[in-house]
Amino acid sequence: SYELTQAPSVSVSPGQTASITCSGDELGDRNACWYQQRPGQSPVLIIYQNNKRPSGIPERFSGSNSGSTATLTISGTQAMDEADYYCQAWDSSTAVFGGGTKLTVL
Amino acid sequence: EVQLVESGGGLVQPGGSLRLSCAASGFIFSSYWMHWVRQAPGKGLVWVSRINTDGSAPRYADSVKGRFTISRDNAKNTLYLQMNSLRVEDTAVYYCAREHCSGGSCFFDPWGQGTLVTVSS
Repeated sequence: SYELTQAPSVSVSPGQTASITCSGDELGDRNACWYQQRPGQSPVLIIYQNNKRPSGIPERFSGSNSGSTATLTISGTQAMDEADYYCQAWDSSTAVFGGGTKLTVL
Repeated sequence: EVQLVESGGGLVQPGGSLRLSCAASGFIFSSYWMHWVRQAPGKGLVWVSRINTDGSAPRYADSVKGRFTISRDNAKNTLYLQMNSLRVEDTAVYYCAREHCSGGSCFFDPWGQGTLVTVSS
């Protein structure tokens, strides 16, 4: 079965750039998306089709996907961005999620 | 406003059953594939099941196959998950999510608020 791997945690200082990666076999050949989950809340879509932002998602969130790694980049990180982030791709019409990365804004 | 509202969670003993519901509003429910995703306490998101628009082709994660049944009532704009032979490891918040596709890419948007299922004696 297909697997996606994320680092458990990433730390960033306010105003700096955070990068969260997601790796999987030939992930670049698939569409990756990203979800943000704040404590006690439901996941929210923040990136789809590798690098597209839904309406209402701030421009500081961006994405890329090439080779075996998809990357979520948060520029000018704010305290409100502290959350868990999950990547997701599809495998034979079933969804696969990465294990999640907890972003801490120090 | 596009909205999904889950209900039906609760405390159940191992081996018991529970039926979750997900009421949809603000969109044409019958036009979308729907999914259940769960999250055990302190853990990550795990896909559970999905159903196509007319309910003819459900699919399940191996961990729930043969125990869970996904269904939908398009007249009532409602998604269901019948959970039988529940195990302690099924304890989780269960989310329903709409599969939305744009530009050849599909994703989950929106998600419901989740309903907690606790399996314990």
